[in-house]
Amino acid sequence: QSVLTQPPSASGTPGQRVTISCSGSSSNIGRNLVNWYQQLPGAAPKLLIHGYNQRPSGVPDRFSGSTSGTSASLAISGLQSEDEADYYCAAWDGSLNSYVFGPGTKVIVL
Amino acid sequence: EVQLVQSGAEMKKPGESLRISCKGSGYSFTSNWIAWVRQVPGKGLEWMGIIYPSDSETRYSPSFQGQVTISADKSVDTAYLQWSSLKASDTATYYCARLASDSYSYWGQGTLVTVSS
Repeated sequence: QSVLTQPPSASGTPGQRVTISCSGSSSNIGRNLVNWYQQLPGAAPKLLIHGYNQRPSGVPDRFSGSTSGTSASLAISGLQSEDEADYYCAAWDGSLNSYVFGPGTKVIVL
Repeated sequence: EVQLVQSGAEMKKPGESLRISCKGSGYSFTSNWIAWVRQVPGKGLEWMGIIYPSDSETRYSPSFQGQVTISADKSVDTAYLQWSSLKASDTATYYCARLASDSYSYWGQGTLVTVSS
């Protein structure tokens, strides 16, 4: 049972905007930066968003993150077929003294 | 180019011991924390713990404390994850990842550990 909550799946057609939510608490999202990772089938996770909505080099600007209070969200605009993957939010949890991942959201491109 | 290269897949029996490795290159290995992350087949990511190779300071997730040992040898730029007595429930893919600022920007390719009698 993760301390971060994400919907199990999200879907959209090519070109649409999809948003994934991540709910936490004051011990994690409420006081620490949220990161988002993308995991394509059969591959290692890849950092997508870090810090204050920062994208590592090579990550398209179609991906954006935001945080408000104890919740965060990842938006994918102009959805493409190659965006079909699992997406995880993550943050440091000060109460657990651990880095915690959400359960993951599978994005399906219809 | 920063790279984390992990050791190959392992097939073990319950009760056996195992150590898997993660070799860093392309950066100063002692300058960044290295974490281990577990992924049970078909499931999500779980952070196991982290080590600072410069002085081997280690921190564990409460869920994994006492279940595994994380170590590092800075002379060969390698971090390790080891078990003294494997269980079937340890079957998973294990990733190492390098911490920079607040996130894990580089990941190893993963090591599949299968524990079965």
